[in-house]
Amino acid sequence: SQKIEQNSEALNIQEGKTATLTCNYTNYSPAYLQWYRQDPGRGPVFLLLIRENEKEKRKERLKVTFDTTLKQSLFHITASQPADSATYLCALDSGSNDYKLSFGAGTTVTVRA
Amino acid sequence: DAGVIQSPRHEVTEMGQEVTLRCKPISGHNSLFWYRQTMMRGLELLIYFNNNVPIDDSGMPEDRFSAKMPNASFSTLKIQPSEPRDSAVYFCASGRDRGREQYFGPGTRLTVT
Repeated sequence: SQKIEQNSEALNIQEGKTATLTCNYTNYSPAYLQWYRQDPGRGPVFLLLIRENEKEKRKERLKVTFDTTLKQSLFHITASQPADSATYLCALDSGSNDYKLSFGAGTTVTVRA
Repeated sequence: DAGVIQSPRHEVTEMGQEVTLRCKPISGHNSLFWYRQTMMRGLELLIYFNNNVPIDDSGMPEDRFSAKMPNASFSTLKIQPSEPRDSAVYFCASGRDRGREQYFGPGTRLTVT
């Protein structure tokens, strides 16, 4: 069955450093992979989408890579700030007409000032 | 533009009672998704609609759960009768056919005692 794994432990980093989050999947061939941010008590917020034929995507201090051979996506937050503290969810998107997403459990990032 | 609107934000009810959660998607969006989030199971898709038609309800846990979308601007998720294991945060999300990303509401925190 389909399985999505994100960093199993919370990630604590110092302000200014780069946070790297991992999303691994098995038994799935997503056409897209999406990343969302969720703050406590709020709904997830879309950050980035990367297509299967794209190796890398950037948005401001965020960078996402997608390796369909390794079945892995890496999510980087560069020059991290305390305001980046949140839970980050990866979501697999089949790319079909049904628009369904399968979410990972999330990785909680805490950036220390 | 207003985001996805959900009501109520919090619901506390007794086991056996009927619970109705409400969602107003973003205007112009034609896909609507209901999710449930718990610590144990993460974010799970329950059902989704496209152009007001239920497309996939395979995530609905059992017959106690039902969802409707009578028009493009309103959807309900009903649990009857409710059970303590239904306690979770329920999110509604909407999306456009031309975009893969989903826009989440603030969620309804349901507690069944």
